[in-house]
Amino acid sequence: NAGVTQTPKFRVLKTGQSMTLLCAQDMNHEYMYWYRQDPGMGLRLIHYSVGEGTTAKGEVPDGYNVSRLKKQNFLLGLESAAPSQTSVYFCASRPLIDVSYQEQFFGPGTRLTVL
Amino acid sequence: AQRVTQPEKLLSVFKGAPVELKCNYSYSGSPELFWYVQYSRQRLQLLLRHISRESIKGFTADLNKGETSFHLKKPFAQEEDSAMYYCAACGRLAFGKGNQVVVIP
Repeated sequence: NAGVTQTPKFRVLKTGQSMTLLCAQDMNHEYMYWYRQDPGMGLRLIHYSVGEGTTAKGEVPDGYNVSRLKKQNFLLGLESAAPSQTSVYFCASRPLIDVSYQEQFFGPGTRLTVL
Repeated sequence: AQRVTQPEKLLSVFKGAPVELKCNYSYSGSPELFWYVQYSRQRLQLLLRHISRESIKGFTADLNKGETSFHLKKPFAQEEDSAMYYCAACGRLAFGKGNQVVVIP
């Protein structure tokens, strides 16, 4: 099992450019999440999905869109990148099982710089 | 809304000294609480969950509902404990801002 993978690992964009970050998991998890990690801010939830075809906003959704067309993939899109979106982006997933075991499994991260 | 507070951003301790990372939460109902760790340039991984009441890598964390706290403790810090530590509360995990721990040899 590869677990949770993210592509690309690094990317540099110019202001106004668009891009899509791909998260894939091979654990048949129902829940998937996108976070951004910034110094002094910790991890903040951008969007999440509780199943194929469903998405919901998290804490900081502005400037991002997501899609979950397939259960194993969760895409994060930046329509018009801004320097404030420079960050490290983490994807995570977890199964829909007993609520006492809500461990999230994280991807390796994507380091995005917007110039 | 659930909220997790980790008051100290950076904690430096000498090897062999005790380390305690504070975590307080606000949550309506019975919380599920976790500690995640991120070693340098690695992905986040689960360290502890309160329901397991286990000790992992010498770390323990006790849920204190009266104080709404879930502090992480280790009696003797090791160099390999240097990492970023995040406290988190369930369902849609709410993460604290994290503690950077540096263990000085």
